[in-house]
Amino acid sequence: QKEVEQNSGPLSVPEGAIASLNCTYSDRVSQSFFWYRQYSGKSPELIMSIYSNGDKEDGRFTAQLNKASQYVSLLIRDSQPSDSATYLCAVNLAGDSNYQLIWGAGTKLIIKP
Amino acid sequence: SAVISQKPSRDICQRGTSLTIQCQVDSQVTMMFWYRQQPGQSLTLIATANQGSEATYESGFVIDKFPISRPNLTFSTLTVSNMSPEDSSIYLCSVTLDAETQYFGPGTRLLVL
Repeated sequence: QKEVEQNSGPLSVPEGAIASLNCTYSDRVSQSFFWYRQYSGKSPELIMSIYSNGDKEDGRFTAQLNKASQYVSLLIRDSQPSDSATYLCAVNLAGDSNYQLIWGAGTKLIIKP
Repeated sequence: SAVISQKPSRDICQRGTSLTIQCQVDSQVTMMFWYRQQPGQSLTLIATANQGSEATYESGFVIDKFPISRPNLTFSTLTVSNMSPEDSSIYLCSVTLDAETQYFGPGTRLLVL
């Protein structure tokens, strides 16, 4: 069964530090990878998508993809209390024409002031 | 992205009754999905809403319990039938505009007594 694994946390990081969130996936041929942020009581919102090996930066966020190791991570620089949320990793089903995603269980991030 | 609305935003229902949740998008979208998210858990895909044809259900979900309609490219409904307290959850619709990137509606919080 195709899976996406995340550490459930909570991950506690001091304000201003770098938060590192990790995700591994089982389907070697997956091509598209997504990070979503979900605040308590709210719906998930897209932060980053990444498709190629290496790093992709957007403001304080950097997504890192290593397909050989089947590993995708999200770095949050200069962490702020407003970054406290659950972060969901999602991976496409390679070859699936219906655009379905497989979801990780999420990592709860707490930024301590 | 697209503007996605869901109605109702929340409801409290008696067991044995049914509730229909609406998902409206402000533009035509490729795919529409329905998810369930129970407290503290990740997303569980219920079904893919197919325009003009029967929805495609995931393992563990059946049409009699969760009938879905999608009459056009901007609107879908999910009905939760013959509800029990185990159906208490957040129900989310998501859409894709291009490829696999999914955007979520605000969700419907359902409590069944």
